[in-house]
Amino acid sequence: ELKVEQNPLFLSMQEGKNYTIYCNYSTTSDRLYWYRQDPGKSLESLFVLLSNGAVKQEGRLMASLDTKARLSTLHITAAVHDLSATYFCAVDPGGGADGLTFGKGTHLIIQP
Amino acid sequence: DSGVTQTPKHLITATGQRVTLRCSPRSGDLSVYWYQQSLDQGLQFLIQYYNGEERAKGNILERFSAQQFPDLHSELNLSSLELGDSALYFCASSAQGVGNQPQHFGDGTRLSIL
Repeated sequence: ELKVEQNPLFLSMQEGKNYTIYCNYSTTSDRLYWYRQDPGKSLESLFVLLSNGAVKQEGRLMASLDTKARLSTLHITAAVHDLSATYFCAVDPGGGADGLTFGKGTHLIIQP
Repeated sequence: DSGVTQTPKHLITATGQRVTLRCSPRSGDLSVYWYQQSLDQGLQFLIQYYNGEERAKGNILERFSAQQFPDLHSELNLSSLELGDSALYFCASSAQGVGNQPQHFGDGTRLSIL
C-alpha cells in the first residue's frame, strides 16, 4: 500500500523567511503533484513533477522530485502572507491518470 | 475556476438517508475521480471513471456507489448514511492519457449528517 508522508504538518513562519516542506512516499512512482488548499476551498494545482530530477518554479515556490530517494520538496523563498494555506503532495501510483494518494497536508501560516 | 462543477454545495441530512452528489467534468476530460476529505482520514480516493467505465477503486465503502453517464457527468450515491460520512466530497477530472496534466478539482459538496 502506497503511503505518503509530509512534514512538517504544521508550520508557522515569518514573512521574508525561507522554508522547505518534505514529501516522502513508499513505493516507486515518477508522478508527483503539489496542491494548495485555502480554508473551506477547493484544491488548486501548483506543480506536476513527472521524472527524476524534475524541478518546477512559480513565483516564490519551487518543487523538486528525487524518485530514487522517493522524496519531493516544496521550497518557499522569502515567504509572504498570501502563501498561507495548506499544501498537499499527492502521488500517482498507477503511472497515469489514476486515483491519487495524498499526504496529510502541511498547514502553513505566514505571519507579518 | 477549475471548470469542474459540483452540486449541491451543501447537503444536510439524517442518518440512514440516501443522497446523490453530482459532478460535471471540465470540457474534454474523460476521467472523473471522487475523493472524500475529512479531518480524521484526510483526503482519500474513492473511485475513478473513464468514459463511462469504472477504472479504479480506492477506499470506497459498499454503501457508496458511483456512475458516469454518456454525457460524462458523474454521480456519487451515498446510502444508509452514518455520522462518520460527514465530510467534504470532491470531484476531479483529467484528460486521460495526457500524463503531464494534473487532476482538476471542483469546489466540493459539504455533507453534514445529523
